[in-house]
Amino acid sequence: QKEVEQNSGPLSVPEGAIASLNCTYSDRGSQSFFWYRQYSGKSPELIMSIYSNGDKEDGRFTAQLNKASQYVSLLIRDSQPSDSATYLCAPSGGSYIPTFGRGTSLIVHP
Amino acid sequence: GAVVSQHPSRVICKSGTSVKIECRSLDFQATTMFWYRQFPKQSLMLMATSNEGSKATYEQGVEKDKFLINHASLTLSTLTVTSAHPEDSSFYICSARVPVTDTQYFGPGTRLTVL
Repeated sequence: QKEVEQNSGPLSVPEGAIASLNCTYSDRGSQSFFWYRQYSGKSPELIMSIYSNGDKEDGRFTAQLNKASQYVSLLIRDSQPSDSATYLCAPSGGSYIPTFGRGTSLIVHP
Repeated sequence: GAVVSQHPSRVICKSGTSVKIECRSLDFQATTMFWYRQFPKQSLMLMATSNEGSKATYEQGVEKDKFLINHASLTLSTLTVTSAHPEDSSFYICSARVPVTDTQYFGPGTRLTVL
């Protein structure tokens, strides 16, 4: 099983700030990573995927992957109150069975 | 992104009845789908992995005779909660994995209330 560790938070940032969410994983064989956002009472939605070392940007979101250090992060620029949610990271690849931890709760306050 | 649908979105039933939840991948074929359950303020709990054409693989502690899973086609998996009881009341979410990319997309979930 590919274990991941996330700080459960809550991470509280002011509106307009950069929110930084981190995730470490234990399986060096993990090939790809996904970030999901889950609003309270809703199902998770995919927001970012990253497959190779480095940064990947999509609008206000940037995913960073460092396979040598076994961590993946998600930066949210110009954070908005609507970004307040729980963020889940998930490695993937091969026959990986996706289980999720509690994720990181983000609160963006006006 | 790919679309996964679930039906119904909400169901209320009496204790002792059975409820069937459908999960469909609308624009891709999914050989593997997953069923989760989530209680309020808790994390997603994987119940089982559903593979098209074969028996589902259940996680430890999940009763296979109570939660019947059928994955009869590449676009449809069903979860039947048999003889439902109030403690089965929860948010049930399915997901489907896109082959090659291994990207997992979630359905909108089904909120089950057992009276």
